[in-house]
Amino acid sequence: NAGVTQTPKFRVLKTGQSMTLLCAQDMNHEYMYWYRQDPGMGLRLIHYSVGEGTTAKGEVPDGYNVSRLKKQNFLLGLESAAPSQTSVYFCASSYPGTGYFGPGTRLTVT
Amino acid sequence: ELKVEQNPLFLSMQEGKNYTIYCNYSTTSDRLYWYRQDPGKSLESLFVLLSNGAVKQEGRLMASLDTKARLSTLHITAAVHDLSATYFCAPRGQNFVFGPGTRLSVLP
Repeated sequence: NAGVTQTPKFRVLKTGQSMTLLCAQDMNHEYMYWYRQDPGMGLRLIHYSVGEGTTAKGEVPDGYNVSRLKKQNFLLGLESAAPSQTSVYFCASSYPGTGYFGPGTRLTVT
Repeated sequence: ELKVEQNPLFLSMQEGKNYTIYCNYSTTSDRLYWYRQDPGKSLESLFVLLSNGAVKQEGRLMASLDTKARLSTLHITAAVHDLSATYFCAPRGQNFVFGPGTRLSVLP
């Protein structure tokens, strides 16, 4: 089992550009999450999904969109990147028991 | 809305010493998770506490949960350098809500 994987691992964007982060899990988990982690801070929930075809807003959803067309995949989109979105993004999945985290995507917006 | 506090936020301790990290949360939660994060790495699950009075131990770490007081503790016994990391508690409401983390540094 690969667990939770994230693509890409690193990305640099210019202000106004768009991109999509892909999260994939092979554990057949129902729940999936996107968090962001800023230096010296905990994790803040961006969006989450409780099953295929469902999404919901978390604590800091502005500027992001998500889709869960397949159970194993959860996509996070930035339509028009801003420097404030420079962060490390973690995806996680759960049954909904223990959350398993991906390795993270380090995004820099210049 | 579930809010989580951790105390202390930074902890520097010598090897061989004992210490406790505290996690307080604001609303009812029937389960709580502890995670460890090494610098530049992802989060690793340490413990899941499922009921009031639950106690879990793994090596030099012991976690407990008091749901009535909305308090969880992570106790470190005879710390070693390898325990240096950031520790997060995460009570579960509809989602995992993370505390700010406690950055632990164990000095020789």
